[in-house]
Amino acid sequence: AQTVTQSQPEMSVQEAETVTLSCTYDTSESDYYLFWYKQPPSRQMILVIRQEAYKQQNATENRFSVNFQKAAKSFSLKISDSQLGDAAMYFCAYRSAVDKIIFGKGTRLHILP
Amino acid sequence: KAGVTQTPRYLIKTRGQQVTLSCSPISGHRSVSWYQQTPGQGLQFLFEYFSETQRNKGNFPGRFSGRQFSNSRSEMNVSTLELGDSALYLCASSWGLAMETQYFGPGTRLLVL
Repeated sequence: AQTVTQSQPEMSVQEAETVTLSCTYDTSESDYYLFWYKQPPSRQMILVIRQEAYKQQNATENRFSVNFQKAAKSFSLKISDSQLGDAAMYFCAYRSAVDKIIFGKGTRLHILP
Repeated sequence: KAGVTQTPRYLIKTRGQQVTLSCSPISGHRSVSWYQQTPGQGLQFLFEYFSETQRNKGNFPGRFSGRQFSNSRSEMNVSTLELGDSALYLCASSWGLAMETQYFGPGTRLLVL
């Protein structure tokens, strides 16, 4: 069965610094998508970035980028120039064409002013 | 475009009662998924509907059921409520199935006393 593991329940970073959130997954599928979602306190979940498994190039969205290592089944999220508004719970998620989406347990990110 | 809306936003019920939650997807989206979010279990997939058909189901007891209407709006029902059903119930919509990006609603917070 597919699993998604986020090994860091909580992290802190100084404002303007860079932080990397880890995610590993397990699958026997070859065609799948990976997502990072952000859930700010008391606000709704929004998509941060997504990566197609067939693409070798790492996805980037402004200050957010991923390091996708398909062979290692690793999908980390890098946030550059951290801002106070980045404080949130971050969820890594996996979905294949034939299965439901699976979320990790989440990493709570604190931004220190 | 209006986002995903969920009603009601907050609900208090007692054990043994039943509850119905509603979700209106983004206009044009045909897929609706439901999730239960708790501090202990994280985000757990309940079910997914596409064009009024249930496409995927999570590992929840039969007390949890859902349906989707021809206008893509969806409802989920929980019968014989238990204390452990207290959670944030999230709905997400997407245009299609498989690996489409999901857009989340604000959630319905259910408290069972």
